[in-house]
Amino acid sequence: AQSVTQLGSHVSVSEGALVLLRCNYSSSVPPYLFWYVQYPNQGLQLLLKYTSAATLVKGINGFEAEFKKSETSFHLTKPSAHMSDAAEYFCAVSDKAGNNRKLIWGLGTSLAVNP
Amino acid sequence: NAGVTQTPKFRVLKTGQSMTLLCAQDMNHEYMYWYRQDPGMGLRLIHYSVGEGTTAKGEVPDGYNVSRLKKQNFLLGLESAAPSQTSVYFCASSYGASGGSTDTQYFGPGTRLTVL
Repeated sequence: AQSVTQLGSHVSVSEGALVLLRCNYSSSVPPYLFWYVQYPNQGLQLLLKYTSAATLVKGINGFEAEFKKSETSFHLTKPSAHMSDAAEYFCAVSDKAGNNRKLIWGLGTSLAVNP
Repeated sequence: NAGVTQTPKFRVLKTGQSMTLLCAQDMNHEYMYWYRQDPGMGLRLIHYSVGEGTTAKGEVPDGYNVSRLKKQNFLLGLESAAPSQTSVYFCASSYGASGGSTDTQYFGPGTRLTVL
């Protein structure tokens, strides 16, 4: 069964430093992939998604993610962290293959940005 | 265009009480979902609906019931609340099936439920 793993439940960076949040999927058939962000006391919103059109995907607020089939990864990056980036980030997978009507969610990574 | 709204935002129940959470969307989406979010456990799907009049079980359906009488509304019911149901509940909707597609899920702001 398809699964998604987010390495590191908590990541802490300094303001201005590189942000790297890791996501790996398990399927042998590359799925569709999503990153969602949840700001404190809010619902989730889409940050970006991989739809097979391009391996480097740009999202909102300066985030981007690169799909690497050989590594079964879809890591999220931002060159320079801002205090407002502090949030929970979720990676999710949509399996192309079957009748599954649902997204498969990672457990989330909490990003803290230190001044 | 309000997107996805949830009512109420907060609720405290005593064990054994019942309540209904209301989710409404104004985007004419076919698919709607109820999730619960607990620390360290990410998002877990409770029930979902693929269209008006339909419902289906997710990962953690026990203790919950749902109804989708109107396309824009998706109700989540707790018949006899238990402390284990203390959680934050999120409703989401999408135009098409999230599985096997690139459709985005749109989330409501959440309902924080405490069961004493």
